[in-house]
Amino acid sequence: DTEVTQTPKHLVMGMTNKKSLKCEQHMGHRAMYWYKQKAKKPPELMFVYSYEKLSINESVPSRFSPECPNSSLLNLHLHALQPEDSALYLCASSRPQLITEAFFGQGTRLTVV
Amino acid sequence: KQEVTQIPAALSVPEGENLVLNCSFTDSAIYNLQWFRQDPGKGLTSLLLIQSSQREQTSGRLNASLDKSSGRSTLYIAASQPGDSATYLCAVRPVDSNYQLIWGAGTKLIIKP
Repeated sequence: DTEVTQTPKHLVMGMTNKKSLKCEQHMGHRAMYWYKQKAKKPPELMFVYSYEKLSINESVPSRFSPECPNSSLLNLHLHALQPEDSALYLCASSRPQLITEAFFGQGTRLTVV
Repeated sequence: KQEVTQIPAALSVPEGENLVLNCSFTDSAIYNLQWFRQDPGKGLTSLLLIQSSQREQTSGRLNASLDKSSGRSTLYIAASQPGDSATYLCAVRPVDSNYQLIWGAGTKLIIKP
């Protein structure tokens, strides 16, 4: 099983809403990632968790708040987003060694209205 | 600073042709290079991972090569099919990356029936 599952697939939210994106993997990977992808651009790294601890925050605004409650789950809490935050949000996982393969989920298409 | 370039940006070929997608990178200090496929609005599917010590990897009709010293990788697709239509992205994991993947901008491939 090389599956990374993201929910929901689509999300429309207002600028005053609070919502969460969820990501789950059962491959035993101890590194998990959040990426943001705008149309026709490659993914941009947002956060990395290694062994359930936040190891990288790529200067992401505080309206995005990641959480890794256990080794299989990764959440991204959203609050007071702006229309320019509309994008495809991708979760990925890998073994924590840097030589290993990264596996991505199918993404959540987020629209902020 | 590592930079990754993919040429061409777009490619349209008739069904059945063999084709080559190119990826070049500026710094040979990498752990590995990974090829991904992305369908419109969807997540990323890992196709092939080549470690820095390897020269090529094969999976079905796909063959990826790596020439680390010249900073080049190619993805060869044999007997192309309309279902191969997608955007293909390559990404390198630099030795000093701390979990970063450095991405090319992708090649949009259209296979005409």
